[in-house]
Amino acid sequence: GIQVEQSPPDLILQEGANSTLRCNFSDSVNNLQWFHQNPWGQLINLFYIPSGTKQNGRLSATTVATERYSLLYISSSQTTDSGVYFCAVDWGKLQFGAGTQVVVTP
Amino acid sequence: EAQVTQNPRYLITVTGKKLTVTCSQNMNHEYMSWYRQDPGLGLRQIYYSMNVEVTDKGDVPEGYKVSRKEKRNFPLILESPSPNQTSLYFCASSGFPISYNEQFFGPGTRLTVL
Repeated sequence: GIQVEQSPPDLILQEGANSTLRCNFSDSVNNLQWFHQNPWGQLINLFYIPSGTKQNGRLSATTVATERYSLLYISSSQTTDSGVYFCAVDWGKLQFGAGTQVVVTP
Repeated sequence: EAQVTQNPRYLITVTGKKLTVTCSQNMNHEYMSWYRQDPGLGLRQIYYSMNVEVTDKGDVPEGYKVSRKEKRNFPLILESPSPNQTSLYFCASSGFPISYNEQFFGPGTRLTVL
């Protein structure tokens, strides 16, 4: 099966800091999504991004499908950004990475 | 509002007592699936359905059953729950083919089996 690796596994940020999360995948994929799981457990769609760059407020994502990676940028982080960030790739079925646990401190 | 709903949100039960977790979507999606999330293992697919009366096993189907009698509903059935099925469960839906459609997730069901 396809391998999906996210880095770093954990990230502690001070409010206002910027950060980059990475998702590497081992084979060609049809699409890629980023999700945020908030502290209450809810999974929230952030980006559907098979290739290219998208932005939504302080968040943006870039997928370079030919090089098999995607990046999620968090700018001017806020405490509400805390939670786990997952990337999931589709190669006929959806395969999730293990996630990056983000803690933003005041 | 387009959404995926799950019930119950929280459930504590005992070993062997049959239970059903319901899932419903209002987006007319063909594809629906169930996942479980466990610490350190991420989300793993249990079962999926590509349309009414069409279901298939995911990565971890043992101990679970599903049915798809209506397009909008996809219940997950645990006929004899065991403690190793304690987990956080998510239902998801999307248009078909899933390769070109965004997946939408329900709010999750936290199940504890004693």
